[in-house]
Amino acid sequence: NAGVMQNPRHLVRRRGQEARLRCSPMKGHSHVYWYRQLPEEGLKFMVYLQKENIIDESGMPKERFSAEFPKEGPSILRIQQVVRGDSAAYFCASASYEQYFGPGTRLTVT
Amino acid sequence: GENVEQHPSTLSVQEGDSAVIKCTYSDSASNYFPWYKQELGKRPQLIIDIRSNVGEKKDQRIAVTLNKTAKHFSLHITETQPEDSAVYFCAASISFGNEKLTFGTGTRLTIIP
Repeated sequence: NAGVMQNPRHLVRRRGQEARLRCSPMKGHSHVYWYRQLPEEGLKFMVYLQKENIIDESGMPKERFSAEFPKEGPSILRIQQVVRGDSAAYFCASASYEQYFGPGTRLTVT
Repeated sequence: GENVEQHPSTLSVQEGDSAVIKCTYSDSASNYFPWYKQELGKRPQLIIDIRSNVGEKKDQRIAVTLNKTAKHFSLHITETQPEDSAVYFCAASISFGNEKLTFGTGTRLTIIP
């Protein structure tokens, strides 16, 4: 699981700015999942992607959030016009079968 | 959709004793149940998982049991050690490898030396 990479590890944004979080899956994995973890809470599913396809986005907020997993390059979770409530740890997981998590991006909105 | 409940939310046990964490799920279609351990500020790490075609699985000091009829599954840690202190999450999925995980709310396990 050390192979799942996320960057940045920490991100500070002011309200109204955009946040871009990147995830590179383990070699050979073609499935990427994004989860959000609020302080002292569990992980909540946001979106499931395969290369160039969104498979399940049932956990994504309807506005301001988007995700992509292009043919080349990492998966990106984009949050536009961030608000304080977006402050959380965002984890991606990659899978061929079991899901292995990256180290997370801790987003702080000031 | 799936709902996973986890108990207890906190658990303290004496070093060397056993710890048991229980989860229930709502969707009878769920057939894959992993457990993750998360230390403070770290990523969740998969420690054991079970699929619905077996009732029990063991890996050294940890074991998981599954009762599909009752829709509950449990994590058992024997001979606990200080390094077992962490937050443990159960999860459920309707498909092994191709579906989102629905997580429980976590159990903060503290091992008392």
